[in-house]
Amino acid sequence: DIQMTQSPSTLSASVGDRVTITCRASQSISIWLAWYQQKPGKAPNLLIYKASSLESGVPSRFSGSGSGTEFTLTISSLQPDDFATYYCQHYNSYPIGFGQGTRLEIK
Amino acid sequence: QVQLQESGPGLVKPSGTLSLTCAVSGGSISSSNWWTWVRQPPGRGLEWIGEISRSGNTNYNPSLKSRVTISVDDSKNQFSVKLSSVTAADTAVYYCVRRRSNDAFDFWGQGTMVTVSS
Repeated sequence: DIQMTQSPSTLSASVGDRVTITCRASQSISIWLAWYQQKPGKAPNLLIYKASSLESGVPSRFSGSGSGTEFTLTISSLQPDDFATYYCQHYNSYPIGFGQGTRLEIK
Repeated sequence: QVQLQESGPGLVKPSGTLSLTCAVSGGSISSSNWWTWVRQPPGRGLEWIGEISRSGNTNYNPSLKSRVTISVDDSKNQFSVKLSSVTAADTAVYYCVRRRSNDAFDFWGQGTMVTVSS
């Protein structure tokens, strides 16, 4: 199985900050990576697919990059609505796997 | 806009079988997508359970494969999951999800909490 490791586990930041979350795969997954945002009591919401493609309706302050084993999710200017938990997910092979999550909290 | 809605018992006894159904609206379950189940134990991360295609092909998480069955009912535009021999470790919010054709998970149900307890 491919293991997905996110860092950091928790990130404290302020409105307006630029933040980056990293996701590493235990082996190459090419570009088959997605990012999701989840708020308490809600289902995850797709932000980025194929490592860097922005899902329709997602604000342009979200961006993704990377290929192979290292990927990043960047939020260019944090908004109050962005404080949530973020998950990366690979779908390169079975079983599909998720990272453990990064909780983005208000500093 | 595709919508998914989970339904099923919220409480299952240990050693019993968890059964959930996902009703799909706003789109056909016979489209070229995979129909997926994901779960999330309280306070923890996401776990992929498995998926089924319109033709009935399935892929399961090896950690659950011996206990899980996913099926589809075209006539009702819904799909289902059964998980047998449940224990407290299977207590979680269960989500039904559409996986866009060999791509990411684009539409999610609201999730349903299932507790395994006597």
